[in-house]
Amino acid sequence: AAGVIQSPRHLIKEKRETATLKCYPIPRHDTVYWYQQGPGQDPQFLISFYEKMQSDKGSIPDRFSAQQFSDYHSELNMSSLELGDSALYFCASSYARTLNYGYTFGSGTRLTVV
Amino acid sequence: AQSVTQLDSHVSVSEGTPVLLRCNYSSSYSPSLFWYVQHPNKGLQLLLKYTSAATLVKGINGFEAEFKKSETSFHLTKPSAHMSDAAEYFCVVSSGGGADGLTFGKGTHLIIQP
Repeated sequence: AAGVIQSPRHLIKEKRETATLKCYPIPRHDTVYWYQQGPGQDPQFLISFYEKMQSDKGSIPDRFSAQQFSDYHSELNMSSLELGDSALYFCASSYARTLNYGYTFGSGTRLTVV
Repeated sequence: AQSVTQLDSHVSVSEGTPVLLRCNYSSSYSPSLFWYVQHPNKGLQLLLKYTSAATLVKGINGFEAEFKKSETSFHLTKPSAHMSDAAEYFCVVSSGGGADGLTFGKGTHLIIQP
């Protein structure tokens, strides 16, 4: 069965650079969620999209932006990277119109800022 | 390697009755274990976590979970269900934040009957 695909799996960037993380949801899933997990930290919810519109917003820094495209994939754009942005970023997708929302999580992108 | 198995994809209880959501895990290391709840179109919310301290962990909203190493289980319980508890619940294992990061169970959809 298809899973949530995230790319790249690993990314190394320097301070003040930009990074773009991509999330491809399971086919027919219309909702995407982004999370950030720092070293030794719990996952923190960043932002979510339903039908290409932002549906909920968590602790996403102003330096970050995200969007969901017409094919339902989502991209998380991160600018002016800081050392503290080093974390595992993972996304999840679901289909909002079913009783069981069937969330599926991707394997994550590990971002290292040096 | 680590894995999580949530034994029930759906659980239905009547309001005011006890809730039991079952979770078994496997891990090569001393794990940290979490329970998260996700309400429709909302991000994950941490209910409670076990990180090698007391084996009975109390969380928010009256939930608690007991870590049983001999049974490799971390079941979530609540004495009396409330309608607002209806949501998707995820059991998560983390083996020290290494390369495996977080591993999520497939979720249990909790239905509360009036």
